Amino acid sequence: DAGVTQSPTHLIKTRGQQVTLRCSPKSGHDTVSWYQQALGQGPQFIFQYYEEEERQRGNFPDRFSGHQFPNYSSELNVNALLLGDSALYLCASSSNDRGRRQPQHFGDGTRLSIL
Amino acid sequence: AQKVTQAQTEISVVEKEDVTLDCVYETRDTTYYLFWYKQPPSGELVFLIRRNSFDEQNEISGRYSWNFQKSTSSFNFTITASQVVDSAVYFCALSDWNTGNQFYFGTGTSLTVIP
Repeated sequence: DAGVTQSPTHLIKTRGQQVTLRCSPKSGHDTVSWYQQALGQGPQFIFQYYEEEERQRGNFPDRFSGHQFPNYSSELNVNALLLGDSALYLCASSSNDRGRRQPQHFGDGTRLSIL
Repeated sequence: AQKVTQAQTEISVVEKEDVTLDCVYETRDTTYYLFWYKQPPSGELVFLIRRNSFDEQNEISGRYSWNFQKSTSSFNFTITASQVVDSAVYFCALSDWNTGNQFYFGTGTSLTVIP
């Protein structure tokens, strides 16, 4: 039973560039959330996708956008990269709540470094 | 406002000692869920436990135990007879009804178990 998989593992970009990160959810999960984790900090919620739509968004600028595909996989896009975007980006999947807050299962993350 | 505080930044214990990780949360909602996650050096966040606000029963799972007290808004985590493999960063997280599916994480406690 494959867990949450993310690609790539590491990525180096320069300021102003654009980046796309990918995530495949755990089998049986239909909801994908993205988090940004700066060094020494806890994960910060970026947004969540369900039924191919952004269901909820954290306090991140419009430079951060996403997409969910019919197979539930998801992409995170970041435009006009800033040095402060350097972080570990975590993807988490869960099954739809149905009134009960299901635990989110996390991937290993993508380490993004901006030069 | 929702907030999770993990006051202990770093803890070091000698193998076989017991250790308690503290978590204090803030929420105005009466319905909420609390979680503990473990993050080893590999980066993946591993789900440990979920509690809902209606269930204050404490739980023990092997060497792990959790103490949930609504009166003090605390959800503490104890590892009994610690082992080197317990070395990791531990995060407490909150998800409440008003904020939907967003998880709020604390800043984490880095636990080092010395052999």
